[in-house]
Amino acid sequence: GAGVSQSPRYKVAKRGQDVALRCDPISGHVSLFWYQQALGQGPEFLTYFQNEAQLDKSGLPSDRFFAERPEGSVSTLKIQRTQQEDSAVYLCASRTGGAGDTEAFFGQGTRLTVV
Amino acid sequence: AQSVTQPDIHITVSEGASLELRCNYSYGATPYLFWYVQSPGQGLQLLLKYFSGDTLVQGIKGFEAEFKRSQSSFNLRKPSVHWSDAAEYFCAVGAGSSASKIIFGSGTRLSIRP
Repeated sequence: GAGVSQSPRYKVAKRGQDVALRCDPISGHVSLFWYQQALGQGPEFLTYFQNEAQLDKSGLPSDRFFAERPEGSVSTLKIQRTQQEDSAVYLCASRTGGAGDTEAFFGQGTRLTVV
Repeated sequence: AQSVTQPDIHITVSEGASLELRCNYSYGATPYLFWYVQSPGQGLQLLLKYFSGDTLVQGIKGFEAEFKRSQSSFNLRKPSVHWSDAAEYFCAVGAGSSASKIIFGSGTRLSIRP
């Protein structure tokens, strides 16, 4: 597809369950970002990859959150032992990564509800 | 630390009226600045961006924004709104090299009165 694709679109998890959220960036995009958007709030930065290297993970809220991008394309955000406060929309974005390029393209997000 | 403030949580304007959404940022260096729009069930779409040059930036859908360094502001404007402009608007600042981290404000919800 032409855009950033995220799956699943919706996920309901029982508290304590592990979840994995997938992001397919735009083909050829070097940079990939994950954001968390709570209801009524702006997106909060979680982590940033350049190719397979995770260059910034300062926004991950706890060690229950883990992201990977092993081959520099598809990325997975994993949340272990989910808690109710993890309920949010998780957004993925990608960017070409070329010099001076700043426009990030966002996917539609995965809405996670922890019950 | 970098931050973005959008003081208006919700604004309602009449269709055809002019619009200005406020944004103030805090950043030590010359910032990369963005405005994004988010419609229900849709992803974030970039309206416009600024990082150098002319302080008045033109974007898509008839939007423009003006960077005012002295006021640390980057307000979004549109001369005449359409019902389809109803959405959530986010101002953001890019931090780090080539804006590797984008920091968003809390958003302003725009409603259009017929």
